[in-house]
Formats: sequence, C-alpha cells, structure tokens
Amino acid sequence: QQQVKQSPQSLIVQKGGISIINCAYENTAFDYFPWYQQFPGKGPALLIAIRPDVSEKKEGRFTISFNKSAKQFSLHIMDSQPGDSATYFCAASVGRNAGNNRKLIWGLGTSLAVNP
Amino acid sequence: DTGVSQNPRHKITKRGQNVTFRCDPISEHNRLYWYRQTLGQGPEFLTYFQNEAQLEKSRLLSDRFSAERPKGSFSTLEIQRTEQGDSAMYLCASSPVQTAGRSGNTIYFGEGSWLTVV
Repeated sequence: QQQVKQSPQSLIVQKGGISIINCAYENTAFDYFPWYQQFPGKGPALLIAIRPDVSEKKEGRFTISFNKSAKQFSLHIMDSQPGDSATYFCAASVGRNAGNNRKLIWGLGTSLAVNP
Repeated sequence: DTGVSQNPRHKITKRGQNVTFRCDPISEHNRLYWYRQTLGQGPEFLTYFQNEAQLEKSRLLSDRFSAERPKGSFSTLEIQRTEQGDSAMYLCASSPVQTAGRSGNTIYFGEGSWLTVV
C-alpha cells in the first residue's frame, strides 16, 4: 500500500507556465513533508519542505501548499523553465527529530518536462 | 565540502558475485544512510548509522547485505551472492545531528552507485 500517493506520473508544461504536482497521505502522524528534485543519473536533492503547522511555504519560484484536513500537499513551480525538467518526489516522515529522516516515505515521482 | 561521494558509480557484475560500494559522507555529518532506488520508484530506506553505530536496518536488507561504518566516517555496503533483483541504484546520504531548537535537518544525497547484475 502506497502511503504517499503522488500525481500526476508525468507532466508537460510550457516555459513560463505553472507546474503543479500533488501528493496525498494517510498517516496523520506524518509531520514533515519535503519535496526532492532528481535529475537523471543524480541523487535526489532537497528542494523545499513544510511542516503541518503552516499552510504554505514559498522559496523563490517554488511553493508548497499544505491542506492538513484533506491530508494533501502540493508543489507549485511558477514560471517553469526548461532547467526545471526533472523528476520530483514528495515524501513524508514521522517525528520532529532529524533522525526520523531515515523514515522518509516517498511518492513514486513525477517526471516534469518543460518545453522551451 | 565536496558533498557525499560514492564509488564506483557503475558496476556490472555476474549473478552470484559479491560487490562492495563505498560512501564518503560530508565531513562532520554524524548520520549516514543507505537507500536503494529502482526505475520509476522513490528511494527505499535500507539502513542508517549514527557515527559508527548501525541503528536501524530495513527488512529490505536481507542477510546477503551488510553495511559497515567502522570509524564513523566512510561506509561500505556489501552485497553477497548478487541476484538480478539486486539491480538498482544504491544511494548514500548523510546529515548532521539535529541541534536543539532546529526543525529537521536536510539529508544530502550522493549521486548513487548503479548496480547491474547480469
């Protein structure tokens, strides 16, 4: 059973458009929700993360929206660029300690292609 | 700080052979993790060290897998009697111990070691 469900599986966006990737979870004990970006042949890199005590977090062109009651969170990439083309993973973990990073539960990923 | 370093980056081996991967974490990072990732999937946790102590092993880590971090610095992941199902990218990551008052530390991943078992 997939504890973190991510959609869509793939996404094509025009340059300058908004890319939106959604994730849903079941475990209400999750309290740390990061997004990772992964380029082909590379390891994943943390993009942005949120905790459930806030509904939105913005860093540059990247925004996480969090809906605790719906148990959903999403990544918005504004002004999408071809260099944003990568696979994006949402994840979730239990506990507020850094050690609980080991229990990151990952979505299946979204392959984003931004057309020039 | 050169990031998390893994080698070899690619390894092709025959079924039944043993392979070993090495990970050099970011210096002064106490925590080191091994994950496995197959195509179309997110990383799956395998095991985790704090300094030289292996604190947790996933059920995914069968008896053929062993990981060590003898001096609390670099780590090795050995797979004995490899099987085709072991073909995957093996990711190493490290993070510092969380300091009081800080909320959640970033895990830094290496570029992975690709294993192909033929």
